[in-house]
Amino acid sequence: GQNIDQPTEMTATEGAIVQINCTYQTSGFNGLFWYQQHAGEAPTFLSYNVLDGLEEKGRFSSFLSRSKGYSYLLLKELQMKDSASYLCAVRAQDSNYQLIWGAGTKLIIKP
Amino acid sequence: SQTIHQWPATLVQPVGSPLSLECTVEGTSNPNLYWYRQAAGRGLQLLFYSVGIGQISSEVPQNLSASRPQDRQFILSSKKLLLSDSGFYLCAWSYSRAAKNIQYFGAGTRLSVL
Repeated sequence: GQNIDQPTEMTATEGAIVQINCTYQTSGFNGLFWYQQHAGEAPTFLSYNVLDGLEEKGRFSSFLSRSKGYSYLLLKELQMKDSASYLCAVRAQDSNYQLIWGAGTKLIIKP
Repeated sequence: SQTIHQWPATLVQPVGSPLSLECTVEGTSNPNLYWYRQAAGRGLQLLFYSVGIGQISSEVPQNLSASRPQDRQFILSSKKLLLSDSGFYLCAWSYSRAAKNIQYFGAGTRLSVL
């Protein structure tokens, strides 16, 4: 089967750093996506990884290890507005259209 | 720039009533289009996707259907809603020929079937 695992919920402090992990087991691999979803709103695209390594974009970075089936999203200098769910999704090699979605990690930021 | 419109934002419907949700994309041509459903606290479930006018692929057997009457219009329908159809419905689009195929979402419709 195809599966994506993420922690259900995490808590962090404003100004700190948090790492959200994602592990996947899929029939193939053709890219991994991270999305941010605020409560009651639609997901918005954050990052894309297809090769091993770190992709940095401002306060957010995403890392991928294809051999380990593992990714993480790193959020630095946390702000209260970063309180949201973070969704990990994988495109399996046998389909260019379908994404396999994790259930999301709810991140709670405390002052 | 590209924009995606989805309406209505909220909908309350009785069991057994019909459903029609509409999604339109502006600023691009021949997009891939998607309908998702998200149950509370759950991941996104792909319902339908379309790579062109009249071309619909269904991922989950259910009492819902989709149509693409125009290049940038995607409609989700049901003849008779069930209680289990309640959820957050999201329309998304992606470029048809981009390597990354990033999906961009509309604002969503929160459907409550009572």
